[in-house]
Amino acid sequence: EADIYQTPRYLVIGTGKKITLECSQTMGHDKMYWYQQDPGMELHLIHYSYGVNSTEKGDLSSESTVSRIRTEHFPLTLESARPSHTSQYLCASTGHNEKLFFGSGTQLSVL
Amino acid sequence: GNSVTQMEGPVTLSEEAFLTINCTYTATGYPSLFWYVQYPGEGLQLLLKATKADDKGSNKGFEATYRKETTSFHLEKGSVQVSDSAVYFCALRESGGSYIPTFGRGTSLIVHP
Repeated sequence: EADIYQTPRYLVIGTGKKITLECSQTMGHDKMYWYQQDPGMELHLIHYSYGVNSTEKGDLSSESTVSRIRTEHFPLTLESARPSHTSQYLCASTGHNEKLFFGSGTQLSVL
Repeated sequence: GNSVTQMEGPVTLSEEAFLTINCTYTATGYPSLFWYVQYPGEGLQLLLKATKADDKGSNKGFEATYRKETTSFHLEKGSVQVSDSAVYFCALRESGGSYIPTFGRGTSLIVHP
């Protein structure tokens, strides 16, 4: 049912590299979110967007940035990856009925 | 601010046992309440929701009733299966407020054959 896609599923990179995690949805949703999920499962909101050209930081301080140039696309960028960035990153979107749709996630490992 | 408190896991049960995962919330308005489930290696997916007091959400044998007087939304299932093994998240979104949902910390359920 979910029409929200994240790539890559898994990424292993070295410290200092710049990376972009992709998230796209085909449902025309205005609202999109990035969550970081720690090994203890808790979700931390790191960025969100209410529409094109709208981006806000979430509750968790993050060294990442996001952009929202098109409704369907909400990429997350790390300019210089560090081992502390190792985590699962989940993208989500929602329309008017409050239901959140999640992608399958990107598991990032920074060596 | 809003908050959601879930019982800590893991919850370990035998197949066909009765399941309860407790969830209580704090909200300043009248929130909608949700249960999401995360199977291994996947993102979260909506399991059920309730939008007003005394509503009962149900799906796949799971149920939860919106109890305003006790600010609770406990998840129940009469007979769990091995395939129900997953992490369950309780969440709320305040009506008329921001579109940012508040999640609990998640409760891991392990069902043994």
